[in-house]
Amino acid sequence: AQSVTQLDSQVPVFEEAPVELRCNYSSSVSVYLFWYVQYPNQGLQLLLKYLSGSTLVKGINGFEAEFNKSQTSFHLRKPSVHISDTAEYFCAVGDDYKLSFGAGTTVTVRA
Amino acid sequence: DAMVIQNPRYQVTQFGKPVTLSCSQTLNHNVMYWYQQKSSQAPKLLFHYYDKDFNNEADTPDNFQSRRPNTSFCFLDIRSPGLGDAAMYLCATSPTGTSGSYEQFFGPGTRLTVL
Repeated sequence: AQSVTQLDSQVPVFEEAPVELRCNYSSSVSVYLFWYVQYPNQGLQLLLKYLSGSTLVKGINGFEAEFNKSQTSFHLRKPSVHISDTAEYFCAVGDDYKLSFGAGTTVTVRA
Repeated sequence: DAMVIQNPRYQVTQFGKPVTLSCSQTLNHNVMYWYQQKSSQAPKLLFHYYDKDFNNEADTPDNFQSRRPNTSFCFLDIRSPGLGDAAMYLCATSPTGTSGSYEQFFGPGTRLTVL
């Protein structure tokens, strides 16, 4: 079975500062990796995905992630955050039409 | 715009009173999912439909049932809600195909309160 570990449960960050959210996965087969964002009382919105090809993946809202097979990681980064990036972020790995989610990272952006 | 729609957005029910949550999609995706998400937790998969084939997760309580009358609609029935069933319920869809990407598209969720 595949699983995901998000290494930080909460990340406070100042506006316009960079942020990195860490995600490690375990998988014995081909890996499909995703980052989703969830704003309060909303569903999940896809930020970006890695299916194959380039290990640097660019997503919406200025986010990017790097797939590192040797370290089994898929960390999410943004060089300059905004107040509106305050949300819950979930890393997930795809497995046979299902997603296995990490526990989530709460990002709080302060002015 | 193609989307996943959930109704209602907020639902209040009484302890033990059956409740049905609704999900519809205009994406024409084969797979539909129901998740339960409690506060500050990751979504937990309850079951999914691959076309008309129903797939229940091993730890989903019998209290939770689902129906998919056609490609566009899927319902979640909670036969006798308990206080522990208060949560956000998320519907999602996924296309099938050779890519096998398993990307899921989520609706806005229904927040269920049990009194």
